[in-house]
Amino acid sequence: QVTLRESGPALVRPTQTLTLTCSFSGFSLTTDQMCVIWARQPPGKALEWLALVDWDDEKHYSSSLKTRLTISKATSKNQVVLRMTNIDPADSGMYYCARMKWRFSVIDSWGQGTLVTVSS
Amino acid sequence: QSVLTQPPSVSGTPGQRVTISCSGSASNIGSNVVNWYHQLPGTAPKLLMNKDDQRPSGVPDRFFGSRSGTSASLVINGLQSEDEADYYCAAWDDNLNGLVFGAGTKLTVL
Repeated sequence: QVTLRESGPALVRPTQTLTLTCSFSGFSLTTDQMCVIWARQPPGKALEWLALVDWDDEKHYSSSLKTRLTISKATSKNQVVLRMTNIDPADSGMYYCARMKWRFSVIDSWGQGTLVTVSS
Repeated sequence: QSVLTQPPSVSGTPGQRVTISCSGSASNIGSNVVNWYHQLPGTAPKLLMNKDDQRPSGVPDRFFGSRSGTSASLVINGLQSEDEADYYCAAWDDNLNGLVFGAGTKLTVL
């Protein structure tokens, strides 16, 4: 059974760096075609893809946010970490991690999400 | 503004058929398969349709997906109250070298 769980601070001050951790089980991020993605969703708004790390440690980032994002994997811990710098209130929302299979970009398992509020 | 265009909302009565469209470009839908996700209020998204027209296990056969050119569609036959949710299309974009989601369509069952 594949499970993913996001963790991180619920409240972040503007200009700080947000660090989120995705802890997963039921698959290995070294298996061919496996990826972990991060996506976010402001309250009442659409999903937005943020970043992806694949089985070969290749990384892809949203073109609009790539200067602020860093994704990394800790394979031995079955964790993926997302860092977002220079946080702004517009970055508030639900942050999801999910498993994606590279071929056909199918996101077949999602975490429950973690709510991040950016406020001073 | 989302790269993939969806109608903000659609509605129908129980038993009706509704269609949700997803329009993109040559670099995304024109080159890559489309996957659909649905999201009930307060919950995480869930895979509804993959590789254009493949239903994951557990998805009723009332749901149909298709892709042609730079557009894709999700058809829901025999609308039921439990279908009320937000629906998102997604595809890989070769120009952006990343995943793109549609802006989402809210389905209301009247």
